[in-house]
Amino acid sequence: AQSVTQLDSQVPVFEEAPVELRCNYSSSVSVYLFWYVQYPNQGLQLLLKYLSGSTLVKGINGFEAEFNKSQTSFHLRKPSVHISDTAEYFCAVRMENFNKFYFGSGTKLNVKP
Amino acid sequence: NAGVTQTPKFQVLKTGQSMTLQCAQDMNHNSMYWYRQDPGMGLRLIYYSASEGTTDKGEVPNGYNVSRLNKREFSLRLESAAPSQTSVYFCAGRTGAGEQYFGPGTRLTVT
Repeated sequence: AQSVTQLDSQVPVFEEAPVELRCNYSSSVSVYLFWYVQYPNQGLQLLLKYLSGSTLVKGINGFEAEFNKSQTSFHLRKPSVHISDTAEYFCAVRMENFNKFYFGSGTKLNVKP
Repeated sequence: NAGVTQTPKFQVLKTGQSMTLQCAQDMNHNSMYWYRQDPGMGLRLIYYSASEGTTDKGEVPNGYNVSRLNKREFSLRLESAAPSQTSVYFCAGRTGAGEQYFGPGTRLTVT
C-alpha cells in the first residue's frame, strides 16, 4: 500500500532562515513526486515535481527538493524564507503507470518576522 | 483560459439533502479527480476518471457518486448528505506530464 508521511505538522521559522520540510513515502515501484503549496482559502498550486532525471529539482519561489531513492524521501528546502512563504505544504506521490495520487497530511510553515 | 473551475464556492445542506458539485476544465486534461480536505488529513481521493467515460473509486468513495459528462466536466454528487461529509472539496485535472491542476474548492457544511 502507498503512504506518504510528513512528519512535521507545523514548522515555525524566522524570516530569512533556511527551512526543510520532510517527506517520506513507501512504494515498491517507481514513483513520481510532487510538492504543492496551499495559501489560506485557496486551492493547491504546484511548487515542483520529480518525474525522472536529476534528483535535485528546482521549483518556483526559490524552493528545491531532492529525491533520495534509498531513503524514500523527497524533502523540500529553501535557503532563506520570506513572510509570504507562510502556507501549508503538501507532498504527493503517484506510482508509475497508475492514476492515483497519495498526499501527505501537510506541513504548516509559519514564517515569523 | 480559466483552468479548473468549481461551483458552488460555498454550500450549506441539511442532513439528508442532495446536491451536485460541478467541476469543469479547459486544459484538455484526460484525467480528473475529486478530493476532500479535512484538517490534519491532507487530501483524500474520493473518485477519479482516467478518461472520458470511465470512473474509479478512490480511498473514500462511500456516500458519493460521480459522472464524467464529457472530457471537460466531472461532477460529484451527494445523494443523502451527512454531517461527516462536511469538508472542503477540490477538483483537479492532470496533464500528461503528471502534475495536477486544482480548482479553488467548494466549502460544504452539512448540519
